[in-house]
Amino acid sequence: GAGVSQTPSNKVTEKGKYVELRCDPISGHTALYWYRQSLGQGPEFLIYFQGTGAADDSGLPNDRFFAVRPEGSVSTLKIQRTERGDSAVYLCASSSGPVSSYEQYFGPGTRLTVT
Amino acid sequence: ILNVEQSPQSLHVQEGDSTNFTCSFPSSNFYALHWYRWETAKSPEALFVMTLNGDEKKKGRISATLNTKEGYSYLYIKGSQPEDSATYLCAFSGSGGYQKVTFGTGTKLQVIP
Repeated sequence: GAGVSQTPSNKVTEKGKYVELRCDPISGHTALYWYRQSLGQGPEFLIYFQGTGAADDSGLPNDRFFAVRPEGSVSTLKIQRTERGDSAVYLCASSSGPVSSYEQYFGPGTRLTVT
Repeated sequence: ILNVEQSPQSLHVQEGDSTNFTCSFPSSNFYALHWYRWETAKSPEALFVMTLNGDEKKKGRISATLNTKEGYSYLYIKGSQPEDSATYLCAFSGSGGYQKVTFGTGTKLQVIP
């Protein structure tokens, strides 16, 4: 069956521009997570959705970052006024249950490069 | 700030050797501990989710144990094969289960044929 997909796979943008990263979770999965992974680090939690609502957005680094999931399936991570420090791999994961004891299924990631 | 630490950072073993590595996490307010395998150019793949102290899980040649009282988990690989080469990540979630999942920095394993 279809797994988690993310688009684009690579994005190069100039400092100061706006970007949107998209995640299509596994059909029927209610929970969706966004992570950011920088070189040499483990994935860093950004935000967790349960259905349409953000259950925990404590990992968003600042107000330039925002994420939505308006219909409880596809999610978009939006970054305004990008900075070079935003360069990273952005991972999305979904799971079938509302709690983090369920397995998470990861997408392939979007590699964002801010020049 | 939650500290989830993994050791060693990297490991080289010969094909056929058995190996193990460690994940340490806060022993208070434990909810679940996850292990993932992340091969280069692929998505992280879930190996185990463990929730109970004393849990032992096994999948083929890979197994894991959990000690929530002292805050550690071991991942074992028996008879390592080149295809086991990957970064192995553990992730901790705190009580309530709705809280964010905190990943360690991973152990990068290379199995030499």
